[in-house]
Amino acid sequence: SQTIHQWPATLVQPVGSPLSLECTVEGTSNPNLYWYRQAAGRGLQLLFYSVGIGQISSEVPQNLSASRPQDRQFILSSKKLLLSDSGFYLCAWRSWGNYEQYFGPGTRLTVT
Amino acid sequence: QKEVEQDPGPLSVPEGAIVSLNCTYSNSAFQYFMWYRQYSRKGPELLMYTYSSGNKEDGRFTAQVDKSSKYISLFIRDSQPSDSATYLCAMTGTGGFKTIFGAGTRLFVKA
Repeated sequence: SQTIHQWPATLVQPVGSPLSLECTVEGTSNPNLYWYRQAAGRGLQLLFYSVGIGQISSEVPQNLSASRPQDRQFILSSKKLLLSDSGFYLCAWRSWGNYEQYFGPGTRLTVT
Repeated sequence: QKEVEQDPGPLSVPEGAIVSLNCTYSNSAFQYFMWYRQYSRKGPELLMYTYSSGNKEDGRFTAQVDKSSKYISLFIRDSQPSDSATYLCAMTGTGGFKTIFGAGTRLFVKA
């Protein structure tokens, strides 16, 4: 069966510090991968998606970036965090030919 | 106009009630419809997945799609306190990589 992992689970970072969130998927090959941000009481905002290694599509500009160095690894980064980057970050995957997405447990980021 | 509209609630019902959760959408290209349940501080969990119009039942849950009205519903029978969560609708079109999510409806089931 497939499993998706995210870490860390929680993170408190000062403004201006860098960020690296990691997501890995087990039990599947060549998944579509997604990063979402969910602000408190808000819906899901799609940040990035990837259909293959090194292929990243960005939905939002600003100071976040994503990379996919391996088939089942997806990384969300920032060089300098802003207060507005606080939120709940969710990684998700889906397999080719299917449309339902499966989410990881999330990372709660607080920028102080 | 948002692509997907979902009443944020909160919706409060007594234990054992039938719950109806709904979403409307504007894009007629959507063909795949999903419902997710999200407990506080957790990732969303896929509950139901349907293709095109019709009904799908899974235990106490029934998903209904009416493409002519661009309206989808999730019914929960015999609701339990453990059903208290936020329910998100989601949808996408054939060949699309992106899924559009509703803002979520917060449900409270009182014992």
